[in-house]
Amino acid sequence: KQEVTQIPAALSVPEGENLVLNCSFTDSAIYNLQWFRQDPGKGLTSLLLIQSSQREQTSGRLNASLDKSSGRSTLYIAASQPGDSATYLCAVPSSGGYQKVTFGIGTKLQVIP
Amino acid sequence: GAVVSQHPSRVICKSGTSVKIECRSLDFQATTMFWYRQFPKQSLMLMATSNEGSKATYEQGVEKDKFLINHASLTLSTLTVTSAHPEDSSFYICSASGSLTDTQYFGPGTRLTVL
Repeated sequence: KQEVTQIPAALSVPEGENLVLNCSFTDSAIYNLQWFRQDPGKGLTSLLLIQSSQREQTSGRLNASLDKSSGRSTLYIAASQPGDSATYLCAVPSSGGYQKVTFGIGTKLQVIP
Repeated sequence: GAVVSQHPSRVICKSGTSVKIECRSLDFQATTMFWYRQFPKQSLMLMATSNEGSKATYEQGVEKDKFLINHASLTLSTLTVTSAHPEDSSFYICSASGSLTDTQYFGPGTRLTVL
């Protein structure tokens, strides 16, 4: 059974700081890994999708890396802004029949102006 | 590309009524659709998986007679919460995939409040 852990659970940083969010998973037989953003009371916004053959993906100030062998992914946010405040979710599919996606509980980020 | 929509985005209903939530893949054919539920301060949990034209597969602990799923076409799946109760109040999100091993694309979610 795939288990996804996200550390830290919450993070508060001053505006402008670079930060790293961590995601670890137990079953490394994955096709891809996704990072999402969820604003309070809202749905999911897909940020980055990393295929299993890739080691990292970049979009603007965001960079996500994937190390399948160690079961880890990181989301790096450069020059954080108050608008980055949200919960960031890591989602990992598992093999075995069909693509069940397991979500982490998320990291709640607050960027202080 | 790969856009998934949900309707409605928010719904408030009285206890005992049924509510239908639609999930549509707008620009691709979704062989498989998934329904998730998120309770406050918890992660999203898979409820069921549906393949076009066949019965949905429900996760352990999810009542199939309460959460009716229909995947009648390659672009539409519906989730009907029957005889809704306040404990069914939650955030429901669907995702769609072109195949069992393809990437899932997520809808924006539907917030259900049962009074």
